[in-house]
Amino acid sequence: DTAVSQTPKYLVTQMGNDKSIKCEQNLGHDTMYWYKQDSKKFLKIMFSYNNKELIINETVPNRFSPKSPDKAHLNLHINSLELGDSAVYFCASSQDAGSYEQYFGPGTRLTVT
Amino acid sequence: KQEVTQIPAALSVPEGENLVLNCSFTDSAIYNLQWFRQDPGKGLTSLLLIQSSQREQTSGRLNASLDKSSGRSTLYIAASQPGDSATYLCAAHGGSSGKLIFGQGTTLQVKP
Repeated sequence: DTAVSQTPKYLVTQMGNDKSIKCEQNLGHDTMYWYKQDSKKFLKIMFSYNNKELIINETVPNRFSPKSPDKAHLNLHINSLELGDSAVYFCASSQDAGSYEQYFGPGTRLTVT
Repeated sequence: KQEVTQIPAALSVPEGENLVLNCSFTDSAIYNLQWFRQDPGKGLTSLLLIQSSQREQTSGRLNASLDKSSGRSTLYIAASQPGDSATYLCAAHGGSSGKLIFGQGTTLQVKP
C-alpha cells in the first residue's frame, strides 16, 4: 500500500537528453510537491500543485516543467539535462495546500553524465 | 526570509542514551513545524507535526517541542536504539502554500 510512489527509482542519462519522472499518490490528497535534494543532502521546494493548479514555482530553470494530469499524479519533465541537475528528486503530497502534514515518496536519483 | 538551521550536523551516542536534536528558525511566524527521518538512500518519513498553537507533540519514544518566541524546536529521543540511526530533518511550513523550508539535518548514529 504505497502512499506516494515515484518512477523510476534511478535514472542515468547523458547531458542534453530530455527525461521525465512520474509521481502518484493514493492518499486522496489535493496537493502535490516536487523537492530537490542536492549532493549536500539539502532539500528545497521546486513546485507545488493544488487541484491540478500550480501554486508554487520556485526559482527553477524553465527546462523543468511540471505537469499534473489529475490530483493523484504530478510529473516532472526536464529538458536539455545538465550535470548540475544530478540530484535526488522527491515527490510529496498533503491533504491540502497550507500547513498540512506532507508525505514523501522514495525519491528518484538522477545522474547526468 | 525563513531559514532553518540544525546543529549539530552529526551526533554519535551509545545505545540507551536519551538525546535532544535541535532546530532553529529565523521567522517566528511559522504555521507549523514537521520533523522527518531519512534513512540512507531512502525517502523521508514524517515523525511529528507540531501546529503553531501547540507546544509539544509526542509519538512513542519521540517528543517534539516548539517555542516560536525563541525560534526553536527540539526532538527528544528517549532510550535510543541502533535502529534510530538516521538523518533527522526539521522543516518549517512557510505559509498557505504549504512550502516547507528544511534544515540541513542531523545525522545520528546510535552505537550498540
